[in-house]
Amino acid sequence: AQKITQTQPGMFVQEKEAVTLDCTYDTSDQSYGLFWYKQPSSGEMIFLIYQGSYDEQNATEGRYSLNFQKARKSANLVISASQLGDSAMYFCAMREGVQGAQKLVFGQGTRLTINP
Amino acid sequence: KAGVTQTPRYLIKTRGQQVTLSCSPISGHRSVSWYQQTPGQGLQFLFEYFSETQRNKGNFPGRFSGRQFSNSRSEMNVSTLELGDSALYLCASSLDAKGRAGNTIYFGEGSWLTVV
Repeated sequence: AQKITQTQPGMFVQEKEAVTLDCTYDTSDQSYGLFWYKQPSSGEMIFLIYQGSYDEQNATEGRYSLNFQKARKSANLVISASQLGDSAMYFCAMREGVQGAQKLVFGQGTRLTINP
Repeated sequence: KAGVTQTPRYLIKTRGQQVTLSCSPISGHRSVSWYQQTPGQGLQFLFEYFSETQRNKGNFPGRFSGRQFSNSRSEMNVSTLELGDSALYLCASSLDAKGRAGNTIYFGEGSWLTVV
């Protein structure tokens, strides 16, 4: 069964510093997708970044990058130059299969707090 | 481009009642899925619809049901509400096609349900 593990329940970072949020996954599938979402207190789940298991390059979206290490089954999110608005819950999620069956399995999340 | 729209945003129901939540996916997206988020259980997959057919179902009792219309809009229904059904219900949509854009899953703002 697929599983996502986020080992950092909470993180505190100074504004403008870079931050890495850890995510490890377990799956027996060769084809899968990895996602990161941001959830502020309002509840909305905001898409940040996606990495397919066959993508040769690590995904980047603006200040967000995904450090994908397939052999280690890890997909860490890196936020460069953190901002106060980055304070939120962050979830790592995985979908088995590249296409079809849009079912995500989520980790427990990491609460990120950016200090001024 | 409009995002995933969920209505209502907030609602309070009494035990034993039923509730219907609505979701309009991003234009062109054919896959709609639903998730329940609670502090104790985290984010759990409820079900997914594609072209008006349920393609996947999570491990929830039969009181939880859903459907998708020909315009891809979806509704989920919970009958005989219990206190434990109090949660944030999130709807997500996807193009379900090849490539990074086709595989990205976007969420709405969620519907906060309180059962009293």
